[in-house]
Amino acid sequence: DQQVKQNSPSLSVQEGRISILNCDYTNSMFDYFLWYKKYPAEGPTFLISISSIKDKNEDGRFTVFLNKSAKHLSLHIVPSQPGDSAVYFCAALRATSGTYKYIFGTGTRLKVLA
Amino acid sequence: SAVISQKPSRDICQRGTSLTIQCQVDSQVTMMFWYRQQPGQSLTLIATANQGSEATYESGFVIDKFPISRPNLTFSTLTVSNMSPEDSSIYLCSVASGGVTGELFFGEGSRLTVL
Repeated sequence: DQQVKQNSPSLSVQEGRISILNCDYTNSMFDYFLWYKKYPAEGPTFLISISSIKDKNEDGRFTVFLNKSAKHLSLHIVPSQPGDSAVYFCAALRATSGTYKYIFGTGTRLKVLA
Repeated sequence: SAVISQKPSRDICQRGTSLTIQCQVDSQVTMMFWYRQQPGQSLTLIATANQGSEATYESGFVIDKFPISRPNLTFSTLTVSNMSPEDSSIYLCSVASGGVTGELFFGEGSRLTVL
């Protein structure tokens, strides 16, 4: 059972335009949602997170929106830059009694065209 | 933030052999995890490495196949035992900040190819 889903395996966007990456989840008990970026031959790096009690978090060019009723979150990158080309993973965190459990989506490969 | 070093960064292994991956963190951390990313797949949690006690394995992963050590709060090892080509994957060590953002830090990963 895939609790965190990224239904688009790839996305291409022109430089300067907005990139929107989507993620759906099934478990309403998650406490945080996070986005990671991964370049080839490197470990994932943290981009931005959002608490389950919020509906928006913004950090520079990156904004994450959370729609709890739809169990959906999205990452907006604007303006998109060629250096943003990478695989983006959505992750959900469940923290209970000091135990943290992260579940990752399958990733979306973003290509920003110059 | 935490700086995580993994060794080896990559290796080519023969079927039936075992390989141990080391993970060193530059600070003491409570929560340390081992993930696997098979080609074209998501990051799958193998186990939580517990300091001073046995690791907590996820469904589908067993200690005999993936023994884990965690002798202190800055170091852990994952062994991939009796390897087969299906074990070809990137293995990632990660630590949780435990902070308000719940951020998870990753090492660079160890890319194993089993022939």
